[in-house]
Amino acid sequence: AQSVTQLGSHVSVSEGALVLLRCNYSSSVPPYLFWYVQYPNQGLQLLLKYTSAATLVKGINGFEAEFKKSETSFHLTKPSAHMSDAAEYFCAVTGTSYDKVIFGPGTSLSVIP
Amino acid sequence: DGGITQSPKYLFRKEGQNVTLSCEQNLNHDAMYWYRQDPGQGLRLIYYSQIVNDFQKGDIAEGYSVSREKKESFPLTVTSAQKNPTAFYLCASSARDRGSYEQYFGPGTRLTVT
Repeated sequence: AQSVTQLGSHVSVSEGALVLLRCNYSSSVPPYLFWYVQYPNQGLQLLLKYTSAATLVKGINGFEAEFKKSETSFHLTKPSAHMSDAAEYFCAVTGTSYDKVIFGPGTSLSVIP
Repeated sequence: DGGITQSPKYLFRKEGQNVTLSCEQNLNHDAMYWYRQDPGQGLRLIYYSQIVNDFQKGDIAEGYSVSREKKESFPLTVTSAQKNPTAFYLCASSARDRGSYEQYFGPGTRLTVT
């Protein structure tokens, strides 16, 4: 069965520091993977997606993620955190028949000035 | 601009009343989804539809109903049978073609039932 785990329900970083949000997945079929961001009282916005074209994926707002099949990971990084990055981040994987997307529990990112 | 609209943004109802949440998309997507989000929680799938006039139960369908009479519209009814309806409801759509499985989300409706 497909599943997603996100290590750390809450992560705090200083402004200008590296952001690293961890995501591990389980999939019985070739996965498509996604990172979404959610600001308070808003819907989710797609940050980036992995579709097997390239293992290093660049997204919006300076974020990128690397697909590592051997580690079943898809960690999200950003070299330098900005105050505006404070939000909830969700990792997601396609379902076995690609008719659904399975979301992780989310990681709340705080940025300390 | 293409996108997904959900209305209203905030909705208040008395316990025992049914309430319908609207979701409309002009992205020409075949698939649409409804999720529930509780404070500090992830997304839980309520119902989804891959094509007009067809839909499937998600993980927490009890107490909810949907219809898909038009490609653009996927309304969700929260019935009085839903024991704890107060939550943030998110609608999404997806093209699901040519390997494009990402979902696009509306702004959400916050439902409060007292």
